[in-house]
Amino acid sequence: AQSVTQPDIHITVSEGASLELRCNYSYGATPYLFWYVQSPGQGLQLLLKYFSGDTLVQGIKGFEAEFKRSQSSFNLRKPSVHWSDAAEYFCAVGLMNRDDKIIFGKGTRLHILP
Amino acid sequence: DAGVIQSPRHEVTEMGQEVTLRCKPISGHNSLFWYRQTMMRGLELLIYFNNNVPIDDSGMPEDRFSAKMPNASFSTLKIQPSEPRDSAVYFCASRGRVTVPEAFFGQGTRLTVV
Repeated sequence: AQSVTQPDIHITVSEGASLELRCNYSYGATPYLFWYVQSPGQGLQLLLKYFSGDTLVQGIKGFEAEFKRSQSSFNLRKPSVHWSDAAEYFCAVGLMNRDDKIIFGKGTRLHILP
Repeated sequence: DAGVIQSPRHEVTEMGQEVTLRCKPISGHNSLFWYRQTMMRGLELLIYFNNNVPIDDSGMPEDRFSAKMPNASFSTLKIQPSEPRDSAVYFCASRGRVTVPEAFFGQGTRLTVV
């Protein structure tokens, strides 16, 4: 069965430091891959997505993610975090048959130290 | 576009009562998802529809839960009777017909069953 694993429940970084959030997936083929962000009391907002082409994708708010097929990973990165990046981040996958469902990881909560 | 609209934003009800959550997807979208978010279980897919037809309801926790999509612009998630363990944030999301694979989320309904 398809699954998405985000191994880190919480991550704390200092403002200005670099960030990497991990995501691994289990699927029969290369799926669509997404990263969403959720601020407190809000819905989920798409940061970036990958489904083909260049394996390094750029998103909003200065985030990027790299797809590594050999590792079944899609890690999210940002070179320098801002206090406003404190939120919960979700990795998600969906089959290339885009009429299929989208499955989410359990999320990583990011805390920023001033 | 107003985005995905959910109502109510907050619902407090007594155990045993019927609860109905409502969702208006983005106009023109043909897929609709209902998710439940809790601290313990993260973001769980309950059911999703394509072209108003339920495709996969394997995530619906039990017979107390039911979902309908009578037309392309409206869906409901009903819990009858409600129980305290149903307390969670329920999200609705929709996805478009063309080459846009991601889901767009509503603001969620926070349900508290006392």
